[in-house]
Amino acid sequence: AQSVAQPEDQVNVAEGNPLTVKCTYSVSGNPYLFWYVQYPNRGLQFLLKYITGDNLVKGSYGFEAEFNKSQTSFHLKKPSALVSDSALYFCAVRDGGNTPLVFGKGTRLSVIA
Amino acid sequence: KAGVTQTPRYLIKTRGQQVTLSCSPISGHRSVSWYQQTPGQGLQFLFEYFSETQRNKGNFPGRFSGRQFSNSRSEMNVSTLELGDSALYLCASSLSGQANQPQHFGDGTRLSIL
Repeated sequence: AQSVAQPEDQVNVAEGNPLTVKCTYSVSGNPYLFWYVQYPNRGLQFLLKYITGDNLVKGSYGFEAEFNKSQTSFHLKKPSALVSDSALYFCAVRDGGNTPLVFGKGTRLSVIA
Repeated sequence: KAGVTQTPRYLIKTRGQQVTLSCSPISGHRSVSWYQQTPGQGLQFLFEYFSETQRNKGNFPGRFSGRQFSNSRSEMNVSTLELGDSALYLCASSLSGQANQPQHFGDGTRLSIL
């Protein structure tokens, strides 16, 4: 069965500093990986995905993620954090078959001015 | 292009009642998935529909059911409500539900059980 781990419940970073939100996954086949962001009282908003190809994936709002097959990781990064990036971030994985999307528990990012 | 629309946004019910939540997917999207979000359990998959057929079902009791109509709109129903059913229920749509397609979420229905 597929699973996702987000080891940090909370990440704090100063505005202007780089940020990283960690994610590791487990699937039986090739992984399809996604990052979503959730703002208060809103649904999840798609940021980026990795399907195949380049290990560095670029997405919305300056976010990018690095796929590392040997470490089974898909960490979310941004070179310079903004206060408006403060939100709840979810990593999700799916294998290539007809299985549902599985989400991590989420990491709350707090960017301090 | 309009996003995923969920109605109502907020709902208060009492134990033992039943509730129906509605989801209108993005135009042209034929796959609709439902999730339950709670602080303790996070995001849990309920079910997925494609072309009016349930394609996947999560590990929830039979009190939770859903359906999809020919226009791809979907409803989920919870009968005999329990306090533990209090949650944010999220609907997501994608073109055809293939694994490489991102899902697009509505803003959810917040259900409170008294």
